[in-house]
Amino acid sequence: QSVLTQPPSVSGAPGQRVTISCTGSSSNIGAGHEVHWYQQLPGTAPKLLIYGNNNRPSGVPDRFSGSKSGTSASLAITGLQAEDEADYYCQSYDISLSVWVFGGGTKLTVL
Amino acid sequence: EVQLLESGGGLVQPGGSLRLPCAASGFTFSSYAMSWVRQAPGKGLEWVATISGSGDGTFYADSVKGRFTISRDNSKNTLYLQMNSLRAEDTAVYYCAKGVDSSWPYYFDYWGQGTPVTVSS
Repeated sequence: QSVLTQPPSVSGAPGQRVTISCTGSSSNIGAGHEVHWYQQLPGTAPKLLIYGNNNRPSGVPDRFSGSKSGTSASLAITGLQAEDEADYYCQSYDISLSVWVFGGGTKLTVL
Repeated sequence: EVQLLESGGGLVQPGGSLRLPCAASGFTFSSYAMSWVRQAPGKGLEWVATISGSGDGTFYADSVKGRFTISRDNSKNTLYLQMNSLRAEDTAVYYCAKGVDSSWPYYFDYWGQGTPVTVSS
């Protein structure tokens, strides 16, 4: 069971908007630690998608955005494309466990 | 261009040992904390260990503490993971990941392609 909780799966049609939630606690997200998001395309290594809650690395389309509030964070993807079909992971730091923690991952299916 | 290239994975018997190197290029290796993250078959990502840029700070997940050792050779731009007393539950793809600060990774901005480790008799 992951310290950060994500829905196992989400889906949407091309062009639609989807959101993926990441729920933590007062010892990680709620303690002020930033949330970061990774995209893992099938059979490949994870790739940084969002850092520092809502910042995009160079090359990441602005269709991807992040937000954080209280003990939770969200990743939003607008204008869904077939190439967005992947697993998405949130990540933060837990001060009680003194470990870097990942969510369990969410599989995005583009219908 | 940042590149991270892991190697050394393979099949090992329970109780055995394996050493994973990760060759880094395209950035000033000694200036960044480096980490290992693993992914068991069909499962999510699990942080394993982190080492500071200078090598004087190391951090481990409880699941590997006392069995795994992370180290680095800044003269060779290489990160290592020495894995001893391996168990079936250590079976995973092991990724080398670059942090964004010298003493604390915060997050992982570049990842290697991964090397698979299978622990089985």
